[in-house]
Amino acid sequence: NYMLTQPHSVSGSPGKTVSISCTRSSGSIASNYVHWYQQRPGSAPATVIYEDNQRPSGVPARFSGSIDSSSNSASLTISGLKTEDEADYYCQSYHGSSRGVIFGGGTKLTVL
Amino acid sequence: QITLKESGPTLVKPTQTLTLTCTFSGFSLSTGGVGVGWIRQPPGKALEWLGLIYWDDDKRYSPSLKSRLTITKDTSKNQVVLTMTNMDPVDTATYFCAHLSRTTDFDSWGQGTLVTVSS
Repeated sequence: NYMLTQPHSVSGSPGKTVSISCTRSSGSIASNYVHWYQQRPGSAPATVIYEDNQRPSGVPARFSGSIDSSSNSASLTISGLKTEDEADYYCQSYHGSSRGVIFGGGTKLTVL
Repeated sequence: QITLKESGPTLVKPTQTLTLTCTFSGFSLSTGGVGVGWIRQPPGKALEWLGLIYWDDDKRYSPSLKSRLTITKDTSKNQVVLTMTNMDPVDTATYFCAHLSRTTDFDSWGQGTLVTVSS
């Protein structure tokens, strides 16, 4: 099994752009899709990016996802930061061969 | 529209067995490709995947908790049941059930239920 490592926290000012990384400890990041969730306090998580870079309907285009094989990591980028983006963000991968799931440790985004 | 809701005790004693039920609507667990997962979140901490049950009754568990977990389904009642044995105060958490989509993300979640383990 592998781990997904996220920074504990990131911050940015309204209108700016921030990125949150999700680094896979072993095996290729491209081997399994990465999904991203936003979780506001007191609420259940909600998908903001699925299959590395796809946005569910209703998620603003300010949210984008990518993978970088050179760093073996996935990234969630939020542009045009808004105060409402302040939340915890989690990456998740699904392992097809084992039919299991792995979550990253989560990143707290603060919009200053 | 998919909805899920967790139900069960809010307080259990150490060493007891926890049983939680996830009641869902908007999909059938007899449809190919469908899964329901359990995820927990201790207060102030990260999400932790516990396990999954699939339409074909295959069950997968977190390796670290596998010996304590059992997930079953009742397709006719649209319910999935999580059983966790030998509860400990460190198991205090909000427990979520969620629908695993065909794109392998959890696209719908229950509201979660807080379970406290204390004597």
